[in-house]
Amino acid sequence: AQTVTQSQPEMSVQEAETVTLSCTYDTSESDYYLFWYKQPPSRQMILVIRQEAYKQQNATENRFSVNFQKAAKSFSLKISDSQLGDAAMYFCASPEVGNEKLTFGTGTRLTIIP
Amino acid sequence: DVKVTQSSRYLVKRTGEKVFLECVQDMDHENMFWYRQDPGLGLRLIYFSYDVKMKEKGDIPEGYSVSREKKERFSLILESASTNQTSMYLCASRAPSYEQYFGPGTRLTVT
Repeated sequence: AQTVTQSQPEMSVQEAETVTLSCTYDTSESDYYLFWYKQPPSRQMILVIRQEAYKQQNATENRFSVNFQKAAKSFSLKISDSQLGDAAMYFCASPEVGNEKLTFGTGTRLTIIP
Repeated sequence: DVKVTQSSRYLVKRTGEKVFLECVQDMDHENMFWYRQDPGLGLRLIYFSYDVKMKEKGDIPEGYSVSREKKERFSLILESASTNQTSMYLCASRAPSYEQYFGPGTRLTVT
């Protein structure tokens, strides 16, 4: 079975600062997508950002960007200018064989300090 | 906009009851998924379906079954609910570009 490791169960950051959440994975696929999802307290899981493994360029969505290191199978999420609304559980996900299913990490709970 | 809905946000059932959780998507996606979310364990896949009437077991299918009679609807069934099935249940559907879209979740308590 695939594994996705998020080694930081909890993190906190001052409002307006930058924080990086780490994720490693072990897919055997050569062409795949990686995802970061956000789950605010008592709210729906939403997609934050996705990275296509064949692309060299790191994906960026507004204040969210990734540092994708394919050889190291590392996929970290950087949040710039942190805002109170960024407080949530963040899950990293990588594909299983055939890209049909995703394996999720155990999540990182991010707290924003005003 | 993508929309996935689940029949209940909160549900309380008694041990031994049969429980139905329903999920509906409006995006004509072929693949749909049922996950269970528990603290410290992340999301674990129970079952998924890649077409009408087609299903595959995920990582933790024991005690669960599913039904997909129509493309937009994917149901999770607990044949005889037990207290260890108390959890948050999330439904998702998958776009052709591989990202999954989630419903709001059903928090099930079995007493």
